[in-house]
Amino acid sequence: DSGVTQTPKHLITATGQRVTLRCSPRSGDLSVYWYQQSLDQGLQFLIQYYNGEERAKGNILERFSAQQFPDLHSELNLSSLELGDSALYFCASSPRMEGPYEQYFGPGTRLTVT
Amino acid sequence: AQSVAQPEDQVNVAEGNPLTVKCTYSVSGNPYLFWYVQYPNRGLQFLLKYITGDNLVKGSYGFEAEFNKSQTSFHLKKPSALVSDSALYFCAVRDILVGNNDMRFGAGTRLTVKP
Repeated sequence: DSGVTQTPKHLITATGQRVTLRCSPRSGDLSVYWYQQSLDQGLQFLIQYYNGEERAKGNILERFSAQQFPDLHSELNLSSLELGDSALYFCASSPRMEGPYEQYFGPGTRLTVT
Repeated sequence: AQSVAQPEDQVNVAEGNPLTVKCTYSVSGNPYLFWYVQYPNRGLQFLLKYITGDNLVKGSYGFEAEFNKSQTSFHLKKPSALVSDSALYFCAVRDILVGNNDMRFGAGTRLTVKP
C-alpha cells in the first residue's frame, strides 16, 4: 500500500459526459501528479500540483482540468468524454516538487467511456 | 530537456536465469534515476533509485541497477528471475538541476519469466 488513495476504482460513463476523479496523497506529501495510461501504453503525464498551485503541464487536453485543495487532495475533471479517453488514470504524490524523491502511485481509476 | 528510452518492449527469461531490463537516459545535467514495477491492474510501485555515489543500487525484491554515466544507462538486473517478477517495468529520469520538477518515464518493458 503506497498510502495514495484514489476514488472511484472503476467508472463507466457515456460519451459527452463529465466525470471527476479524486486523489488523496500520502500524508505529508505536497506534490500531486496525474497520469493517463491507455491499454498497453506507457504513462502520459497530465499535470502536477504543488501545495495547491499548478506547477507543470504535460499532454493534458483542454477538456481536462485539475485542482489541488487546501487539504492537499486533488481532483481531475474530464469533460465532453470521448471513447478515446478510456484509460487508467493514476495519481502519484511526492514530498517535494523536485529533488531525489520518488513518486508514490495510487491504485488508479479505470475509466470506460461507452 | 530530459528523456528516457527503454529499447525493448518485451523481455523473456526462464525462471532462475539472470534478467536485465535496459534503460538509457538523456539529461542536460546529472540525473536522478528510478525504476518502477507495475503488476496487472495495479499502480506503479517504486523499486529503487540512483541519486549519487555507488553506481550499483540495490532495491526491493532482490533487484539492483547499475548506473553507467559514460553510457548514460541505468539497467535493471536480478541474478535469478522468479515467475512472480513477470510485470511491466518503467524507468524514469529527473534532471538534478534545481527547479526541475519534470520526471520522464520510459515506455515500459514487459518482463515475462517462464517456469
